[in-house]
Amino acid sequence: RKEVEQDPGPFNVPEGATVAFNCTYSNSASQSFFWYRQDCRKEPKLLMSVYSSGNEDGRFTAQLNRASQYISLLIRDSKLSDSATYLCVARTGGAQKLVFGQGTRLTINP
Amino acid sequence: EAGVTQFPSHSVIEKGQTVTLRCDPISGHDNLYWYRRVMGKEIKFLLHFVKESKQDESGMPNNRFLAERTGGTYSTLKVQPAELEDSGVYFCASSQEVGSAYEQYFGPGTRLTVT
Repeated sequence: RKEVEQDPGPFNVPEGATVAFNCTYSNSASQSFFWYRQDCRKEPKLLMSVYSSGNEDGRFTAQLNRASQYISLLIRDSKLSDSATYLCVARTGGAQKLVFGQGTRLTINP
Repeated sequence: EAGVTQFPSHSVIEKGQTVTLRCDPISGHDNLYWYRRVMGKEIKFLLHFVKESKQDESGMPNNRFLAERTGGTYSTLKVQPAELEDSGVYFCASSQEVGSAYEQYFGPGTRLTVT
């Protein structure tokens, strides 16, 4: 079983739509969580950290549910430039290595 | 400020040959990480340097892989001898400090193809 699991998609949604991704993690010792964005043949870039209280950054909202061990990302009013692969990432306390999910591919259509 | 740089961007070698990948972290970043993504799989951690010391090498797949960071600046990752399953994209990342408050910045990766 993968430590971080995501639906690989692809998700194809029209511009302006709201789209949500979930991911689950199996290691209950995981303490920090992140969403990274990766454009085709580029490096991963941090989109946002995820906190238990939930956090919002513009059109993006991230949520963490520790009891159910899942993380979500909501994108509102999607733009063409949001097309990318979204990587769910966990980090176990005490360790610095990042554990990645396989990524969810999103395509926003005009 | 320059980001993380990696060299080469692409490498095609034959099975059994040796390849050395290089990573230059962001200036002043003591922490340097290697990750790789093989086809169809998720990005996986290989190892973590703090300055010149290996802090965690739990992700290194086998002894054909050797990572060094002499002087605590740039790092090299040597694969010798390369096998077909070593093909993938090798990413380097660096961070100023450790902890979730400190972002790991990724380089553009080296795409390695072993034929």
